[in-house]
Amino acid sequence: DTEVTQTPKHLVMGMTNKKSLKCEQHMGHRAMYWYKQKAKKPPELMFVYSYEKLSINESVPSRFSPECPNSSLLNLHLHALQPEDSALYLCASSPWGVGYGYTFGSGTRLTVV
Amino acid sequence: AQTVTQSQPEMSVQEAETVTLSCTYDTSESNYYLFWYKQPPSRQMILVIRQEAYKQQNATENRFSVNFQKAAKSFSLKISDSQLGDTAMYFCAFMKLDLTGTASKLTFGTGTRLQVML
Repeated sequence: DTEVTQTPKHLVMGMTNKKSLKCEQHMGHRAMYWYKQKAKKPPELMFVYSYEKLSINESVPSRFSPECPNSSLLNLHLHALQPEDSALYLCASSPWGVGYGYTFGSGTRLTVV
Repeated sequence: AQTVTQSQPEMSVQEAETVTLSCTYDTSESNYYLFWYKQPPSRQMILVIRQEAYKQQNATENRFSVNFQKAAKSFSLKISDSQLGDTAMYFCAFMKLDLTGTASKLTFGTGTRLQVML
């Protein structure tokens, strides 16, 4: 299995809703990432998990809450989002060690109404 | 902090022709990695090619090759025999060599939208 699977592919949520994005990989990668990508912009790093521990938080608002329950699974919990949070959310993973490229999922297209 | 610049927002090329996408970067690091990713309309970011900064030899992957000029901090991507399936957004990306034990951060350029035409 050489894929990163993200669910759901599309999500529409209200500003008072709570929802979660899910990311799964079975490649044995020990680093996992959340990126946010606005239309026609490059991806921007949000969080990095190394060996299931949060190692980088790029000053992301607390309405985004990441979770790594095990080495194969990464969640992003969403609460009280704003319309400007509408974007493509990409999950990625990489082997442990430096210099490896990431394997990305296809993303979740999030719309906040 | 590292910055990655792609000065060509859009490019087009005829099928079977060759096209070169430009990328420059700014860093004070001496050891790092550079990547080209493509993002087709399907949205998935796909790794095209990877270059280790300590290697002088330019990386190649089938029809894709790079021209890595470390002193000039330049990392261009050449696509030979362009195919319709090459139509995508192409991102240049930088990763510094981090031995502190945390996973390495990938920093992207602004992207070049490539259209391959019949």
